[in-house]
Amino acid sequence: EAGVTQSPTHLIKTRGQQATLRCSPISGHTSVYWYQQALGLGLQFLLWYDEGEERNRGNFPPRFSGRQFPNYSSELNVNALELEDSALYLCASSLVGQGSGELFFGEGSRLTVL
Amino acid sequence: DAKTTQPNSMESNEEEPVHLPCNHSTISGTDYIHWYRQLPSQGPEYVIHGLTSNVNNRMASLAIAEDRKSSTLILHRATLRDAAVYYCILRGYTGTASKLTFGTGTRLQVTL
Repeated sequence: EAGVTQSPTHLIKTRGQQATLRCSPISGHTSVYWYQQALGLGLQFLLWYDEGEERNRGNFPPRFSGRQFPNYSSELNVNALELEDSALYLCASSLVGQGSGELFFGEGSRLTVL
Repeated sequence: DAKTTQPNSMESNEEEPVHLPCNHSTISGTDYIHWYRQLPSQGPEYVIHGLTSNVNNRMASLAIAEDRKSSTLILHRATLRDAAVYYCILRGYTGTASKLTFGTGTRLQVTL
C-alpha cells in the first residue's frame, strides 16, 4: 500500500513568489496535517484538514493557506514568499482525526527561497 | 496546548537499553501520549502511543506514570539504526487539541 506522497521533493523560489505543495494521503485516510520544519528545528503545526474542511490552524500568517480536495489530497499554498519560509514542509495523514489515531508522514517537500 | 518537556540529547551504547523520558504535567484526562522519531533526512515515523496503561510493540515499550504526568519510551536494545530525534507529543480528543504540536525532541546518539 502506498504511503503518504508529497510533491515536489524540492522547490526553489525567489522572494515574493508563490509556492504550491501537494500531498496525497494514504488511501482511506481523511485527515491531513501540514507541518513546517526549519533547518535544525522541531515541527511547527500549520494546518489540519478533515473531510474537506479546515479544522485547525497554527500560528502562521494568512499567506499560508491550503485546501483539501474531495479525494482527500491536499495542497499547501504559500504566497509572497519570504526568506524565512525556507524549510522542509511535511504532510501527514491519519485515519482518525484525533485521540488515538497515529500519523503517517511523507518524506517532505524542501522549499528554498532565494 | 498541553506541552511536553524532553532532554535535548541522550547517548547510548549499542545493544544496551535506552530510556527516553518525557514530562507532560499539564496532560488532560483524554490526551493520548504519542511517540514519533525522525531519522536524518526523513519524515517522522510513528513509534508507539498509549493512554493510561503501559504499551509494548515490536519497536519499543511505553511506560506511563500512574498520574500520567510523565512517560518513558524504552528501546530494549539500541542499534545504530535507532539514532534519531525522538518526539513525545500529546494528542487530544477534541479538534483544537489535534494540532499535535511537536517540540524539539531528544536527539539519541548510539555508539558502538
